[in-house]
Amino acid sequence: QLQLQESGPGLVKPSETLSLTCTVSGGSISSSSYYWGWIRQPPGKGLEWIGSIYYSGSTYYNPSLKSRVTISVDTSKNQFSLKLSSVTAADTAVYYCARVHYYYDSSGYRSGWYFDLWGRGTLVTVSS
Amino acid sequence: QSALTQPASVSGSPGQSITISCTGTSSDVGSYNLVSWYQQHPGKAPKLMIYEVSKRPSGVSNRFSGSKSGNTASLTISGLQAEDEADYYCCSYAGLWVFGGGTKLTVL
Repeated sequence: QLQLQESGPGLVKPSETLSLTCTVSGGSISSSSYYWGWIRQPPGKGLEWIGSIYYSGSTYYNPSLKSRVTISVDTSKNQFSLKLSSVTAADTAVYYCARVHYYYDSSGYRSGWYFDLWGRGTLVTVSS
Repeated sequence: QSALTQPASVSGSPGQSITISCTGTSSDVGSYNLVSWYQQHPGKAPKLMIYEVSKRPSGVSNRFSGSKSGNTASLTISGLQAEDEADYYCCSYAGLWVFGGGTKLTVL
C-alpha cells in the first residue's frame, strides 16, 4: 500500500529557506497516472495548494507563492521536495505532501486531478 | 485565483441530512467538473470523499454525495452520524488547484 511521509526541520528562522522532502513508499513516483503535490495549512486555518510536480520534472505553482517556491523530484530516491525561500511567520503551517490522480477521458482530455492520498503532515514553525 | 467560498459552519442532528455549498466562478467550478471534497478530523490529514463533483472513492460511505449547479458545488451528507463531525474542504481544478475556506460540521 502506497504511503507518503514528509520530513524536514520543524523550525526555520525568518528570511531563511524552508526545505521539506516527501518520501513515497510502496509504489513508484514514476507512475504515469500521477502528479505529486504540496499543500499547507496554517494553524486553525484552511488548506492552501502550494504546487505540484510530475516525475519528469514538469511543475505547477500557486501564483501567490511562485516567486518563492521550488519543487523538485528525485526518482532514484522515490522522493520529491519543497523549497520555500524568504520565509516569515505567515509561512508557519502543517505541510502535507499528496498524490494527485489524473487520467485521460474518452475524449482524450486529462481529467481527475484530485488529491487521492495524503501524508500525515509535518508542522513547520518560522521563528527566531 | 481566489479561494472558493464555503460557509464557516453547519450543524445537524444524528440521522438528519446537511448540505455544504462551495461557490466559485465561471472560470473554475462553473467550467469544469473537477471539484473534489475532503474530510479532515482534528489533527489528521485530509481524506478524499468526493471527486469529479459526484464520484465516490472506494470505501467512502454512500451517505456522502456531491452535485453541482452553475458556479456552486455541494456536498450532502445524509443520515448524519457522530463520526461525520469534522472540517470539510472543497477543491476545484482549472489548470491550477484552489481550495475552499473550509466548513466545520457539528453533529448536535
